[in-house]
Amino acid sequence: EDKVVQSPLSLVVHEGDTVTLNCSYEVTNFRSLLWYKQEKKAPTFLFMLTSSGIEKKSGRLSSILDKKELFSILNITATQTGDSAVYLCAGINSGGSNYKLTFGKGTLLTVNP
Amino acid sequence: KAGVTQTPRYLIKTRGQQVTLSCSPISGHRSVSWYQQTPGQGLQFLFEYFSETQRNKGNFPGRFSGRQFSNSRSEMNVSTLELGDSALYLCASSPWDRGTDTQYFGPGTRLTVL
Repeated sequence: EDKVVQSPLSLVVHEGDTVTLNCSYEVTNFRSLLWYKQEKKAPTFLFMLTSSGIEKKSGRLSSILDKKELFSILNITATQTGDSAVYLCAGINSGGSNYKLTFGKGTLLTVNP
Repeated sequence: KAGVTQTPRYLIKTRGQQVTLSCSPISGHRSVSWYQQTPGQGLQFLFEYFSETQRNKGNFPGRFSGRQFSNSRSEMNVSTLELGDSALYLCASSPWDRGTDTQYFGPGTRLTVL
C-alpha cells in the first residue's frame, strides 16, 4: 500500500524565520509529488515535482524532489503570518490506467508575529 | 475559467440515512477524484473517475459509491450513514490526460451525521 509521511506534524516559528517541511514517500509506479497549502478551506496547489534535483520556486516558497532517496522538501523563507496553514504533500501512483493520490497527514505551520 | 464546484456546501443527516454529493469539475477536465478529510485520518482517497469509468477505489466500505456523467460531472453517494462518516468531502479535478497531474480542489461539502 502506498504511504506518504510528513514531518514534523506541527511547527511554530516567528515571522522572518525559514522553515523546511519534509515529505517521504513509498508509492508504487510513482509519477509525481504534489504540495498543497490548506487554510480553513480546500487545499490550494503549490508545486508539482516530477524530476529529481530540479528546484521549483514561487516567491518565498521552493521545493525539490529526490527520487533516489524518496523524499521531497518544501522551504519557506522569511515566513509571514499568512503562511500559517497545513501543508500537504501527495504522491501519485500512475501505473497503467491507475491514477491515485496518497496524501500525508500534513504539517501544521504556525507563524507568530 | 470557473473552478471546481461542489454542492451542497453543508449537510446535516441522521444515522441510517443516505446522502448524495455533487461535483462539477473545471471545464475540460475529465478526471474527478473524491476524498474524505477528517481531523484524525487526514485526506483519504475515496475513488477516481475518468471518462465515466472508475479507475481506482480507496479502502472504504461499499456504502460509498460514485459515478461520473458524460459531461464529467460526478456524484458520490453514501448509504446507511454512520456517525463516523461526518467529514469534509472534497472533490478534485485534473487535466491528467493532458500531461499534468495537478489536482484542483473544490470547496468541499461538510457532512455532519447526528
